Amino acid sequence: EVQLLESGGGLVQPGGSLRLSCAASGFTFGSYAMTWVRLAPGKGLEWVSSVSGKSQSTYYADSVKGRFTVSRDNSKNTLYLQMNSLRAEDTAIYFCAKDHREGVVINFYFEKWGQGTLVAVSS
Amino acid sequence: EIVLTQSPGTLSLSPGDRATLSCRASQSVGGHVAWYQHKPGLPPRLLIYDASNRAPGIPARFSGSGSGTDFTLTISSLEPEDFAVYYCQQRSSWVTFGGGTKVDLK
Repeated sequence: EVQLLESGGGLVQPGGSLRLSCAASGFTFGSYAMTWVRLAPGKGLEWVSSVSGKSQSTYYADSVKGRFTVSRDNSKNTLYLQMNSLRAEDTAIYFCAKDHREGVVINFYFEKWGQGTLVAVSS
Repeated sequence: EIVLTQSPGTLSLSPGDRATLSCRASQSVGGHVAWYQHKPGLPPRLLIYDASNRAPGIPARFSGSGSGTDFTLTISSLEPEDFAVYYCQQRSSWVTFGGGTKVDLK
């Protein structure tokens, strides 16, 4: 069974940093692109970042470009999101999601999601 | 950025009713649209991809249609577990989601 478990969320002051992790199991992790999507209070889903299976390609939403870095360690079946220079508008539940199809090219459909981890940016 | 506009914002229906949800794109996205169901406290669930293909394990009462700029998610007969928020998503140009349609109990 595919399982994704996010961790690392919490309360942080504006300008601070956090690193989120997503532990994956139940599938060949390195064969699938992975993505971070967030859900802010009272708002809809927002794509944040994606990384291909072998980390050849990374993509970011304009709202986080230059502040967030996505990475993965396929030997540990873990996805990461390093978040720097956090702002109040980054407050959200952050979900990691597994791509719909395995392969070199990112599919950008999200077949399986974790439960999410809450990031709150406030002074 | 491609903007997806979902309507209505809220759909108040009863079990057994037919639900028709709309998603309109600000420019053509071909057939590159997915639909997700989201319930509070749970992860989102992929229902439909490439506009009309059901994801594995999704019941046949869920169907998707459309191409270009106009897309529809239809739930043929609502079950109690179908009351949730539904999002459309495009992958034609980067990734964007619609604002969601809440299907609630009338």
